[in-house]
Amino acid sequence: AQSVTQPDIHITVSEGASLELRCNYSYGATPYLFWYVQSPGQGLQLLLKYFSGDTLVQGIKGFEAEFKRSQSSFNLRKPSVHWSDAAEYFCAVGARGGGADGLTFGKGTHLIIQP
Amino acid sequence: SQTIHQWPATLVQPVGSPLSLECTVEGTSNPNLYWYRQAAGRGLQLLFYSVGIGQISSEVPQNLSASRPQDRQFILSSKKLLLSDSGFYLCACNRGAYGYTFGSGTRLTVV
Repeated sequence: AQSVTQPDIHITVSEGASLELRCNYSYGATPYLFWYVQSPGQGLQLLLKYFSGDTLVQGIKGFEAEFKRSQSSFNLRKPSVHWSDAAEYFCAVGARGGGADGLTFGKGTHLIIQP
Repeated sequence: SQTIHQWPATLVQPVGSPLSLECTVEGTSNPNLYWYRQAAGRGLQLLFYSVGIGQISSEVPQNLSASRPQDRQFILSSKKLLLSDSGFYLCACNRGAYGYTFGSGTRLTVV
């Protein structure tokens, strides 16, 4: 069965500092990996996704993520965070074309930005 | 690109009352459709999955049901709500290379 682990429930970062959110996955086939962001009371916005090719993927809002097959990881990074980045971040794994399992999400990491 | 409309955005319902949440999709045809629930302090749990009209798969046994009366319409229902049904409900669609798109969600509070 597929699963996603986000080991950090909360992370606090100072504005302007760098950020790394961890994600480890378990998937039986070629994983398709996603990072979503959720602001309070809102739906999910796709930050970036990895299907194949270059293991370093660029997303919106200055985020990037690196796929490391040997470590089963897909960590999200940003070189300099802004106060508007405060939100809940979800890593997910699934099949590109959908399928019965849909997306399997981690439990999320709550990002707090200190001024 | 595909767009999902979900309504209502917020709903407060008494225990034992019925529920109907609607999701419609624009910009694509024959999508895979999903209902997810996000309970307070928890991740997203897949509730239902549909590959086409009238075809529904349930991931977990629960007090809820889903229907797909039209290709781009997905409805989440309950005959009698429980307190444990409270949460944030998200509709999602997938259409191959477009990946997954999520609606803006419905916040359901059962009182």
